[in-house]
Amino acid sequence: DAMVIQNPRYQVTQFGKPVTLSCSQTLNHNVMYWYQQKSSQAPKLLFHYYDKDFNNEADTPDNFQSRRPNTSFCFLDIRSPGLGDAAMYLCATSQKGGGKETQYFGPGTRLLVL
Amino acid sequence: TQLLEQSPQFLSIQEGENLTVYCNSSSVFSSLQWYRQEPGEGPVLLVTVVTGGEVKKLKRLTFQFGDARKDSSLHITAAQPGDTGLYLCAGHLKENTPLVFGKGTRLSVIA
Repeated sequence: DAMVIQNPRYQVTQFGKPVTLSCSQTLNHNVMYWYQQKSSQAPKLLFHYYDKDFNNEADTPDNFQSRRPNTSFCFLDIRSPGLGDAAMYLCATSQKGGGKETQYFGPGTRLLVL
Repeated sequence: TQLLEQSPQFLSIQEGENLTVYCNSSSVFSSLQWYRQEPGEGPVLLVTVVTGGEVKKLKRLTFQFGDARKDSSLHITAAQPGDTGLYLCAGHLKENTPLVFGKGTRLSVIA
């Protein structure tokens, strides 16, 4: 049973052409995260939503934006993708509150920028 | 500065061998998680440890959280080719803070 779903699994875009990646969850978790992972590296947190509260990491470029219209869905918008933005983008969820929350990851969307 | 240091970075072993992967820090973590990630997929949670000195077993995998909650290890007994992947440790320095990741250990088990 899929718990964190990411679509599409593979996305090809052109340099400078806006692209949106989507994530949905069936866990009803209150936190959703977006990570960027480049080859052979650990995931790097871009931002997260705690309910509707948006939390941006200090070093996340302005080129990356996010939307969370409801509990189940979260979107990553890349306004003007550069070649350096080609990576795997991972969505994760957790339930904050009550202690040691565990994060559950989706399968990722691999973005290719031409 | 890398808060969580994983070692070794790469490991290639024969099927049937045992191995240990380490995750070390000078900081205390409130909890620590181990994930396994296969190429082209997202990380899959293996275990969460929260208590100093805790040992958890998952079939052939044994996870240990250090007494001081600064380090953790993953031991695999009789490794199989299906164990191949990137093993990531990640932890929370405090409750309700973002997860801190190690750089990962890339394991290759050769049949």
